[in-house]
Amino acid sequence: DVKVTQSSRYLVKRTGEKVFLECVQDMDHENMFWYRQDPGLGLRLIYFSYDVKMKEKGDIPEGYSVSREKKERFSLILESASTNQTSMYLCASGGSSYEQYFGPGTRLTVT
Amino acid sequence: GEDVEQSLFLSVREGDSSVINCTYTDSSSTYLYWYKQEPGAGLQLLTYIFSNMDMKQDQRLTVLLNKKDKHLSLRIADTQTGDSAIYFCAEMQGGYNKLIFGAGTRLAVHP
Repeated sequence: DVKVTQSSRYLVKRTGEKVFLECVQDMDHENMFWYRQDPGLGLRLIYFSYDVKMKEKGDIPEGYSVSREKKERFSLILESASTNQTSMYLCASGGSSYEQYFGPGTRLTVT
Repeated sequence: GEDVEQSLFLSVREGDSSVINCTYTDSSSTYLYWYKQEPGAGLQLLTYIFSNMDMKQDQRLTVLLNKKDKHLSLRIADTQTGDSAIYFCAEMQGGYNKLIFGAGTRLAVHP
């Protein structure tokens, strides 16, 4: 079974803090994705990566950056967290099979 | 535009069939997906269909694709309380397995 894990299920941070969200997959997938999920808006793509050290902006990259130093790990970074970044963050990975597998999500609250 | 649209809510009686509908806009989409999200969890891939197919059946799930109208539906036969969840429709666009999601349909199953 494909496994995508995320470092935290729940996280509470203060405005202005630097926040790291980690995602690890065990299927040697080339592609990894970070989404945020907000009620009534579905999932919106923040960034994705198609190879180590490669990244592409998604639909809502402002206020975020990413890092992919190893194939199995994709990190989402909030350089200076703001209250409008309170959301559910979902990581996903996919390979050549056209399937995309999701982690359990991290619910981030910025106060 | 790149919108994927779904109705937000569906209520059905246990044992009845549920039909969740979705419209998409990109006629060049190659794959279309249905994901299920249970409370507090990530997204689970239910099924997907290639754009040159018009139907796919998998146990209680039937996916119908009308490519001319850009309409996708998911039928769940004999709906059970365990089917209560949010169902997301998604289309693949461009390279790298990038998915565009709808806002999700909340399915409520009542006795």
